[in-house]
Amino acid sequence: DAGITQSPRHKVTETGTPVTLRCHQTENHRYMYWYRQDPGHGLRLIHYSYGVKDTDKGEVSDGYSVSRSKTEDFLLTLESATSSQTSVYFCAISEDVTQYFGPGTRLTVL
Amino acid sequence: GDSVTQMEGPVTLSEEAFLTINCTYTATGYPSLFWYVQYPGEGLQLLLKATKADDKGSNKGFEATYRKETTSFHLEKGSVQVSDSAVYFCALFGAGSYQLTFGKGTKLSVIP
Repeated sequence: DAGITQSPRHKVTETGTPVTLRCHQTENHRYMYWYRQDPGHGLRLIHYSYGVKDTDKGEVSDGYSVSRSKTEDFLLTLESATSSQTSVYFCAISEDVTQYFGPGTRLTVL
Repeated sequence: GDSVTQMEGPVTLSEEAFLTINCTYTATGYPSLFWYVQYPGEGLQLLLKATKADDKGSNKGFEATYRKETTSFHLEKGSVQVSDSAVYFCALFGAGSYQLTFGKGTKLSVIP
């Protein structure tokens, strides 16, 4: 299995609070991605990174920001969480077209 | 833009039955095609892939063939087991793209 960990694995927070999710890899892969998974929508890309300090938006980036200061870490921040951001968040890594996924973080915004 | 359509679930089969999950796609150029599997409470695992036309991906008894002429990548298994119960996602990585495009997933339940 690809060496990808996500933290925390579960989080409950309140509307309006900031939240940061962490993705850590031990594979030294160049590309890292954040997806959210919601019933009826499959997985949708939030943001991705193609190198240290190089990031770009995906299809559902509103309300989210990311940072990548080291190859191994990719952070996803919800500046002010809303109930619509209740979801399961997955990190993925790749060196080519094949992506490998982490175990996910279940986030509930009350 | 790129899109993936896979058969709606849920699908319920008896153990040892034959499985087909249909997947068709729309993309420009020659995308790479994937099947991922998600077991309850877990992340997505790569099941198999094919990167060019007529390639066959296979793993754990599952197979899928990249059919350019029908823009399809149907997943098949000759004899399913209870342990195959999961959600299956078809996905593509388009030429010149930066992301995977997923189908909405098909939930498979296999009963003894």
